[in-house]
Amino acid sequence: DVKVTQSSRYLVKRTGEKVFLECVQDMDHENMFWYRQDPGLGLRLIYFSYDVKMKEKGDIPEGYSVSREKKERFSLILESASTNQTSMYLCASRPQGGPPSGYTFGSGTRLTVV
Amino acid sequence: QQQVKQSPQSLIVQKGGISIINCAYENTAFDYFPWYQQFPGKGPALLIAIRPDVSEKKEGRFTISFNKSAKQFSLHIMDSQPGDSATYFCAAYGDTGNQFYFGTGTSLTVIP
Repeated sequence: DVKVTQSSRYLVKRTGEKVFLECVQDMDHENMFWYRQDPGLGLRLIYFSYDVKMKEKGDIPEGYSVSREKKERFSLILESASTNQTSMYLCASRPQGGPPSGYTFGSGTRLTVV
Repeated sequence: QQQVKQSPQSLIVQKGGISIINCAYENTAFDYFPWYQQFPGKGPALLIAIRPDVSEKKEGRFTISFNKSAKQFSLHIMDSQPGDSATYFCAAYGDTGNQFYFGTGTSLTVIP
């Protein structure tokens, strides 16, 4: 089975800190995604990447950046954390091409910014 | 702008009952409609999916009903069990984009 691993389950950071969320997948998927999940708002796409060093903005990229230096790893960066970035962050991956299979999600990182 | 609208936000069902969650979309370019199930502390996992060339797909107790003309689809959980208590997300995908668009989620509680 495809495995998507997010490095931290829980994080507490201070306002203004630079925060790195790491995601690694082990099935050679081309596409990787970062979502945030908030009650009543569902899953909102922050950024995605369809290849190494490639990135595309999603629906809510403000305040975030990403890095994909290797195919298996996709990092989400909060340049200067703010309290409104307190949320559950989900990483997902899926292969490229053909009929779309579903995403495989990681277990999430719950980030609290204080 | 919400590409996929999902209702209800929460649902409480007695054990053995039928749970129904509804979704609607506008973009006719969407051609793949999955449902995801998420348990607390876990990421969403693919439950069942349908393409618009069929009106219904059934897997065990889970059925997707699809109405192309109305641009609506729904998840039916027959004989609901306490173990089905989770958050359910509908989603839609089309080849013009490279992302899935998710509904806002439904928190299902099945009471023993």
